[in-house]
Amino acid sequence: DGGITQSPKYLFRKEGQNVTLSCEQNLNHDAMYWYRQDPGQGLRLIYYSQIVNDFQKGDIAEGYSVSREKKESFPLTVTSAQKNPTAFYLCATKRRGLSYGYTFGSGTRLTVV
Amino acid sequence: GESVGLHLPTLSVQEGDNSIINCAYSNSASDYFIWYKQESGKGPQFIIDIRSNMDKRQGQRVTVLLNKTVKHLSLQIAATQPGDSAVYFCAENGRANAGGTSYGKLTFGQGTILTVHP
Repeated sequence: DGGITQSPKYLFRKEGQNVTLSCEQNLNHDAMYWYRQDPGQGLRLIYYSQIVNDFQKGDIAEGYSVSREKKESFPLTVTSAQKNPTAFYLCATKRRGLSYGYTFGSGTRLTVV
Repeated sequence: GESVGLHLPTLSVQEGDNSIINCAYSNSASDYFIWYKQESGKGPQFIIDIRSNMDKRQGQRVTVLLNKTVKHLSLQIAATQPGDSAVYFCAENGRANAGGTSYGKLTFGQGTILTVHP
């Protein structure tokens, strides 16, 4: 996982609950990203942050919230406003510069029960 | 651009064959391209990258070809093995994605499911 820890690996949420997915990195990368992946589909950007205390909405931010209080941490909260949260969630980091790609975590699988 | 609600195309090959996975990108200003491999239940892993000033780059059993004229990227896997079975994503990063920053934001292709039969 290249220094990115996502936890938990599996998470179950009841209807109406908020849940928080953790993403911690020790790569000293400035930028961090959250993606959602539905079965058999591609990656969709939820939120990203390029510096501490700043973050931007991605393409599907509704029903999600984030914070970036520390460089190492970028937690994602899936709120009750997200009507279809069952998916695989991936956190990624990136170092400064356009000629670098992402390093991904191992993912969290969220299921609504 | 990014895949939204589309099911992925598939490619089936026999073990030992060569595989070619294609990707069309949309941003003519992109100057860096990457291929990722994602195994079931895991995060994507870096395979190979290429900058826009190149048209070919080789790694171990993999080759990436870039055709900027038609905005096309391909990944060739030689002597494909069952362990190569996975989803393969291309991604692009360019100044048009940077939003004024020096980070950029990758734009992912749709992805292709590769299945290798013994």
